[in-house]
Amino acid sequence: NAGVTQTPKFQVLKTGQSMTLQCAQDMNHNSMYWYRQDPGMGLRLIYYSASEGTTDKGEVPNGYNVSRLNKREFSLRLESAAPSQTSVYFCASSPRQNGYTFGSGTRLTVV
Amino acid sequence: GENVEQHPSTLSVQEGDSAVIKCTYSDSASNYFPWYKQELGKGPQLIIDIRSNVGEKKDQRIAVTLNKTAKHFSLHITETQPEDSAVYFCAASQTPGPGGYNKLIFGAGTRLAVHP
Repeated sequence: NAGVTQTPKFQVLKTGQSMTLQCAQDMNHNSMYWYRQDPGMGLRLIYYSASEGTTDKGEVPNGYNVSRLNKREFSLRLESAAPSQTSVYFCASSPRQNGYTFGSGTRLTVV
Repeated sequence: GENVEQHPSTLSVQEGDSAVIKCTYSDSASNYFPWYKQELGKGPQLIIDIRSNVGEKKDQRIAVTLNKTAKHFSLHITETQPEDSAVYFCAASQTPGPGGYNKLIFGAGTRLAVHP
């Protein structure tokens, strides 16, 4: 099993550019999540999807949008990237109540 | 809502010593407590978890203890090795209600350094 797969692994954007971070899981989990992690800081929830067809804002949703394409895939879109969005982005998935499985992350730099 | 506090923020030990990381939670309804290890450049990985009907759980050199009355839980690593060096996160959650979701609340993390 691959678990949670994120693409791309690295990305450099110019301010104002847009991009979509992709995430797919093969564990048949209902819930999926997007987090950002800044240097020396913990995990902050951007958006989550409790189940296929639903999405909700987390702690820091401004500047982002998400799409739960199907049960496997949950994408994060930056419409107009800003330097403040330079971070490492992690996707995770989980069953109804158990630990999350995280992807390996996308390292995004906005210049 | 739930709040999870984690201490210490950094911990430095000599190889072979034990390391203990402590977390407290605020919501007595929380009943699931996982621990994650994040190595440099990688995503967090679940290393051990405990549910509220259990007081202690062990897996080789790592163990977790839970005190429901005091609302705190701890991670214990014995005979530490350099490869234990990482950031460790605790978390807490409760059983989702109808239509709810699995909401994990994370601690801020502990950076553990094991020196040879």
